[in-house]
Amino acid sequence: DAGVIQSPRHEVTEMGQEVTLRCKPISGHNSLFWYRQTMMRGLELLIYFNNNVPIDDSGMPEDRFSAKMPNASFSTLKIQPSEPRDSAVYFCASSFAGARGTGELFFGEGSRLTVL
Amino acid sequence: EDKVVQSPLSLVVHEGDTVTLNCSYEVTNFRSLLWYKQEKKAPTFLFMLTSSGIEKKSGRLSSILDKKELFSILNITATQTGDSAIYLCAVVSSQGAQKLVFGQGTRLTINP
Repeated sequence: DAGVIQSPRHEVTEMGQEVTLRCKPISGHNSLFWYRQTMMRGLELLIYFNNNVPIDDSGMPEDRFSAKMPNASFSTLKIQPSEPRDSAVYFCASSFAGARGTGELFFGEGSRLTVL
Repeated sequence: EDKVVQSPLSLVVHEGDTVTLNCSYEVTNFRSLLWYKQEKKAPTFLFMLTSSGIEKKSGRLSSILDKKELFSILNITATQTGDSAIYLCAVVSSQGAQKLVFGQGTRLTINP
C-alpha cells in the first residue's frame, strides 16, 4: 500500500493567494483527518470526515478555510485568502473507524505551507 | 472539551539515561490512547493502549495506561541519539467516528 499521499509537499505563496492542499487516503479507510502543526500550538485537528461526510469542523480556524471530500479516495483543504499566520505543516491522516477499527491514524508526509 | 496534556514539553538528557514522558487526558467516551514518534516528517505509530495496568513494550520503549487516574507514561531506557524526536500522545474518543485529540508533544533531545 502506498500510504496516505499528500500534495504538494512544499508550497510558498504570497498573502492573499488561494492555496489548495490535496490528500489521498489509504484505500479501505473510511475516516480522514486534516491536522495543522506549528511549533507554538502542536498538532491541531482542523476537520475530520467519516464515510466522506464532515463530522467535526470545529477546529477550522475561520471561514477562509474549507475542506471537501468528494469521494472516498480524495480530499482537499483550501485556504482563501491565505495569510502569513497560516504558515504551518498540514497533515492528512486516515484510519478505519468501526468495530474492527483500532483508532490508529496513518499520516501522510505533510504539506509545508509558507505564506509570505 | 477533550484535552490531552503532555509533560515535560522539552527534555534534554545524555545518551544512556532513562526518560519518562507523561500524558494526562480528559476525554468523553475514551476508547484508546496512542503514542507516536515524530522525527523530521510524519508521526509514526509506537503503541496503542486500551486497558489499565498492561504494559506494552517494544525494545527499549515501554508504555502503560492508568484509566482511573487518566494518564499514561512512555519510558525509554538506555537512550540513544536516534531517540531524539517529538513524542506525541493522542487519545481516541468514540463519538461516531474515532476522533484523535493530540497533546502538545514532548521534544526529547539525546546528547552524545
